Amino acid sequence: KAGVTQTPRYLIKTRGQQVTLSCSPISGHRSVSWYQQTPGQGLQFLFEYFSETQRNKGNFPGRFSGRQFSNSRSEMNVSTLELGDSALYLCASSTRGLEETQYFGPGTRLLVL
Amino acid sequence: AQSVTQLDSHVSVSEGTPVLLRCNYSSSYSPSLFWYVQHPNKGLQLLLKYTSAATLVKGINGFEAEFKKSETSFHLTKPSAHMSDAAEYFCVVSDGARGNKLVFGAGTILRVKS
Repeated sequence: KAGVTQTPRYLIKTRGQQVTLSCSPISGHRSVSWYQQTPGQGLQFLFEYFSETQRNKGNFPGRFSGRQFSNSRSEMNVSTLELGDSALYLCASSTRGLEETQYFGPGTRLLVL
Repeated sequence: AQSVTQLDSHVSVSEGTPVLLRCNYSSSYSPSLFWYVQHPNKGLQLLLKYTSAATLVKGINGFEAEFKKSETSFHLTKPSAHMSDAAEYFCVVSDGARGNKLVFGAGTILRVKS
């Protein structure tokens, strides 16, 4: 089975712009979750989608949003980018949810200038 | 609310010697606990998972962890370190049946000396 894929792998944006990141889960996985990894804050949970519905959400501002499509692929959007949004954004998938093993993609590294 | 504390930010061992990475957690529910490993420029990979079936959990690559409820600990061990074990390790808690959030520890960077 193919693993979790994320596109693009690297991205450079400027402050105030918006960005959309994409995640394709493992075939058959309906839960997709997103994480932000920074040197200062470590790994933080953003949100989880299951069957096209946001089921769980971490403590991030409304500038961070996402969606999931009927084929379980997910996108994450960050609007009005700030310098502090520079991070590695990881996506993970599982069959049913966060209580299970999460299979992580390689991440998208976002640099905000 | 759940929380995870990894007691060491860096651990250095010699190849062939035992590895101990320490993790303490707090959770309001019966937790699911995980250890993940992250090699440089890679995503996270599951090492092992505890979900109340057995307190001693065996994982991949010779790693194991013991769940101790009385000590709220879930330390990761390996009898003999290999150079390829050098990576960052994360202890993670999910709040059991509700599973509505994952909380990560700050990570422990393992260095293996030859």
